[in-house]
Amino acid sequence: AQKITQTQPGMFVQEKEAVTLDCTYDTSDPSYGLFWYKQPSSGEMIFLIYQGSYDQQNATEGRYSLNFQKARKSANLVISASQLGDSAMYFCASKGASGGSYIPTFGRGTSLIVHP
Amino acid sequence: GAVVSQHPSWVICKSGTSVKIECRSLDFQATTMFWYRQFPKQSLMLMATSNEGSKATYEQGVEKDKFLINHASLTLSTLTVTSAHPEDSSFYICSAGGKRGPSYEQYFGPGTRLTVT
Repeated sequence: AQKITQTQPGMFVQEKEAVTLDCTYDTSDPSYGLFWYKQPSSGEMIFLIYQGSYDQQNATEGRYSLNFQKARKSANLVISASQLGDSAMYFCASKGASGGSYIPTFGRGTSLIVHP
Repeated sequence: GAVVSQHPSWVICKSGTSVKIECRSLDFQATTMFWYRQFPKQSLMLMATSNEGSKATYEQGVEKDKFLINHASLTLSTLTVTSAHPEDSSFYICSAGGKRGPSYEQYFGPGTRLTVT
């Protein structure tokens, strides 16, 4: 079973500043993956970044980086140089294995507002 | 990257009618389809998982007779909300999972906003 906790219902950040969105997870799977998705007001889920549990290095994708601390079971998303278009809901998710299929579990989400 | 489409993107229907939502994976074979619903300002709630050619596995609390899922091919899954009621109004999102090259990948559709009047 997987559980994702996002403790920040909302975050505000000034344009061009960096922001960290928190995510902690709990899993019994020895192998798992962690994801971050962005959901703008249009509703589409946009994949941002992925971290595998056995990956040695923290994942980075452009302005997004994942601060993966396995011992603490945390997978925080860092957005550098925030832009107004980054305002959206952000969901952390984990994926384990269940019956051969990968069923992701989502956190409650964090609403990020970037202001000028 | 792979594209998953949903149709319709937005639908309004009267209470008591049925609505079918299609989810298509456009450039890869989706062996598994996930259907989610999302209420405003809440997270995605998994409703059911279906493997191609098999019956869907529903999450606890989801009525299988109300939310009919068909996954007849590797590119198409449908969710039919039968005898819809206003409380079924929600945002429904499908997600397609499958092998793409050596790895397993998963992609989300753009969602369907259902309003039942």
